[in-house]
Amino acid sequence: DAGVTQSPTHLIKTRGQQVTLRCSPKSGHDTVSWYQQALGQGPQFIFQYYEEEERQRGNFPDRFSGHQFPNYSSELNVNALLLGDSALYLCASSLEIGRINTEAFFGQGTRLTVV
Amino acid sequence: AQRVTQPEKLLSVFKGAPVELKCNYSYSGSPELFWYVQYSRQRLQLLLRHISRESIKGFTADLNKGETSFHLKKPFAQEEDSAMYYCALTRNSGNTPLVFGKGTRLSVIA
Repeated sequence: DAGVTQSPTHLIKTRGQQVTLRCSPKSGHDTVSWYQQALGQGPQFIFQYYEEEERQRGNFPDRFSGHQFPNYSSELNVNALLLGDSALYLCASSLEIGRINTEAFFGQGTRLTVV
Repeated sequence: AQRVTQPEKLLSVFKGAPVELKCNYSYSGSPELFWYVQYSRQRLQLLLRHISRESIKGFTADLNKGETSFHLKKPFAQEEDSAMYYCALTRNSGNTPLVFGKGTRLSVIA
């Protein structure tokens, strides 16, 4: 099991462009969460997907959107990129078991640079 | 509001010395607390969680609800403990999002 895999590892985009980041969860996991980690900061929650629907969302603008596919993989889309969107984007997967917090496994992240 | 505070950005200790990484939190309700670690060139991984009451790699952390703290401790630091440590919390029910602190970089000097 390769664990959580994210692609690409690095990406450079120009202001105003759009970007799509991808995440494959750990085998057997059905829940995917996305986090943004700016330099010198801890990860900040963007949104979570379960059963192909956005279940929870953090304090991020609508420019940030996502999708979860039937195989549980997920995409994060960011439109109209701003310089401030430059960050490490982390994907975390977990297994939904009722009201129990199961361990979240993180990917290596995608380093997005907006110029 | 939910908040996790790690007051030290960098903590340097000598090998064999005790280590304490501080974490304070604010949360209305019953949170679950975690410590995550990121070694150089590796992904973020769970070190321990308060409900398991385990000691992982010699580290322990006790949840102090009165002081709203969850400090990470190890009696004798090893060079391989050098890493970035993040304290995090979530609601104590279901796969709720993690709220992270800004992290503390631990440097163990030989």
